[in-house]
Amino acid sequence: AQTVTQSQPEMSVQEAETVTLSCTYDTSESNYYLFWYKQPPSRQMILVIRQEAYKQQNATENRFSVNFQKAAKSFSLKISDSQLGDTAMYFCAFSYSGGSNYKLTFGKGTLLTVNP
Amino acid sequence: KAGVTQTPRYLIKTRGQQVTLSCSPISGHRSVSWYQQTPGQGLQFLFEYFSETQRNKGNFPGRFSGRQFSNSRSEMNVSTLELGDSALYLCASSQGTSGGAPSSTDTQYFGPGTRLTVL
Repeated sequence: AQTVTQSQPEMSVQEAETVTLSCTYDTSESNYYLFWYKQPPSRQMILVIRQEAYKQQNATENRFSVNFQKAAKSFSLKISDSQLGDTAMYFCAFSYSGGSNYKLTFGKGTLLTVNP
Repeated sequence: KAGVTQTPRYLIKTRGQQVTLSCSPISGHRSVSWYQQTPGQGLQFLFEYFSETQRNKGNFPGRFSGRQFSNSRSEMNVSTLELGDSALYLCASSQGTSGGAPSSTDTQYFGPGTRLTVL
């Protein structure tokens, strides 16, 4: 079974600064997807970024980028130029890419607060 | 394109009752997944439906069930409610593939959730 661990329950950052959220996972599979989802106080879960395990290049989406280390089973999220709207709970998630498997396994989350 | 909608947004029930939650996926999406979110257990996968068939099920008791209709709308039902069933129930939809692996562009989009409180 896959497990996802987020070791930082809470983090804070000043507006315009950079912050990195950590995530490690454990799996015996070789083909899978990794995701970062954001859940603001409004509760709507939003996809921030995704990474295919077979791709060596790290994914980027505007101010969001990941550092994917497959051998270390590490998948961290870097947020540059933090904005107040980035305040949210961030979840790292894993999905096996084989078979008919749409199950997401989530970490416990990191509550990020961006301070003005 | 309209997003995933869930009804009702809030529910209050008492122990022993049953409840039905509804999820309407994004137009064209055929896969619907359900998740339970609690402060203690976090986000846990309940089940996934594709073309009216349950393809995957999480580790939940049989009191939790679901179904999917021909228009891809899905419902989940919880019978004999317990206090521990109080949670935010999230539905997610994706395009889905018939019998194959999720494509590299297939993404799960979440609804706003239904907040269930069991008294």
